[in-house]
Amino acid sequence: DADVTQTPRNRITKTGKRIMLECSQTKGHDRMYWYRQDPGLGLRLIYYSFDVKDINKGEISDGYSVSRQAQAKFSLSLESAIPNQTALYFCATEDNYGYTFGSGTRLTVV
Amino acid sequence: GESVGLHLPTLSVQEGDNSIINCAYSNSASDYFIWYKQESGKGPQFIIDIRSNMDKRQGQRVTVLLNKTVKHLSLQIAATQPGDSAVYFCAENGNSGGSNYKLTFGKGTLLTVNP
Repeated sequence: DADVTQTPRNRITKTGKRIMLECSQTKGHDRMYWYRQDPGLGLRLIYYSFDVKDINKGEISDGYSVSRQAQAKFSLSLESAIPNQTALYFCATEDNYGYTFGSGTRLTVV
Repeated sequence: GESVGLHLPTLSVQEGDNSIINCAYSNSASDYFIWYKQESGKGPQFIIDIRSNMDKRQGQRVTVLLNKTVKHLSLQIAATQPGDSAVYFCAENGNSGGSNYKLTFGKGTLLTVNP
């Protein structure tokens, strides 16, 4: 099993729908992150969590929310999806040696 | 704000040649830098890192050079192979103290290796 698992891998949703992207990890790391990747813009930080009780906004948190249900689980929600949220989303965990990324969720909002 | 950027968005090399991917950073407080490789359909994977108290670090076929004077980072790949074709990102931690949380990523360079 992968260290960081993201579900779903691909999703197409309609404008205005609520959608949740899930991330789970088996590495036992406290720090978890959600990034968004767009062509030509690299990875941009949406939210991050240093432990279950510590949630912080990143540089592009508007339109998103997160929930850290347990050390191993960190989910990202789009309350009302819009087309410019179409992107590749990555979850990552971190220890003192760096990040481990999941394989990503490709989200398309139509 | 602070930013991490790459000089070249694409790089095409012949198999067996050496590749050099460059990155400029602007946050003088950054003391930890990482290179990631992202293959198509996958998440970024750690390649090599370097702390600001070093100017060179070598791994297997890869070398990272850090020039703090001009805030420049480079990744050198020796004897480039088709499997090296990917997007390469540099990242910086943007703070002092040795922590590597909240990395800021560059926009990426697409490396294409021609057989």
